[in-house]
Amino acid sequence: AQTVTQSQPEMSVQEAETVTLSCTYDTSENNYYLFWYKQPPSRQMILVIRQEAYKQQNATENRFSVNFQKAAKSFSLKISDSQLGDTAMYFCAFKRGAQKLVFGQGTRLTINP
Amino acid sequence: DAGVIQSPRHEVTEMGQEVTLRCKPISGHDYLFWYRQTMMRGLELLIYFNNNVPIDDSGMPEDRFSAKMPNASFSTLKIQPSEPRDSAVYFCASSRPGTGNQPQHFGDGTRLSIL
Repeated sequence: AQTVTQSQPEMSVQEAETVTLSCTYDTSENNYYLFWYKQPPSRQMILVIRQEAYKQQNATENRFSVNFQKAAKSFSLKISDSQLGDTAMYFCAFKRGAQKLVFGQGTRLTINP
Repeated sequence: DAGVIQSPRHEVTEMGQEVTLRCKPISGHDYLFWYRQTMMRGLELLIYFNNNVPIDDSGMPEDRFSAKMPNASFSTLKIQPSEPRDSAVYFCASSRPGTGNQPQHFGDGTRLSIL
């Protein structure tokens, strides 16, 4: 079974700083998909970024980028120029095919003014 | 475009009562997922449907839980009888057909409290 591990339960940085959230996963599959979701206090689950395992190029979405290391089974999220609105729980998730998402336990990120 | 719509947003009821959670997926999405979020267990899949057919219900905790999808635009998750340990946030999500890179879009969740 696939597992996803986020080793940082909480992180805190100052506004405008860069922060990196860690995620590792365990799978024997070769083709799969990885996602980062954001859950602000409003409870919504918002897709931040996604990565296909067969793509070597790291995904980027504005201030958000990933460092995908397939051999190491690592999928970290980098947030540049952090903003107060980035304060949220961040979940790393794994998906094989059109199936369920397997989530990590989450990292609570606080951006301080 | 309307997102995934869940109702109610909050539900408080007494132990032993029947609880029904509702979900309307995004039009054109043929996968529908029910997740449960708790502090202890995080986010876990309960069941998912493809084209209204249940595909994997291995996450449904016990017979007290049941889910249906009578048509492409509506699904229910029912708990009968409810117990305090069922208290959690229940999310419904939907996704387009595709090879797997299609993200799942989540509703706002139902916060369920069983007293």
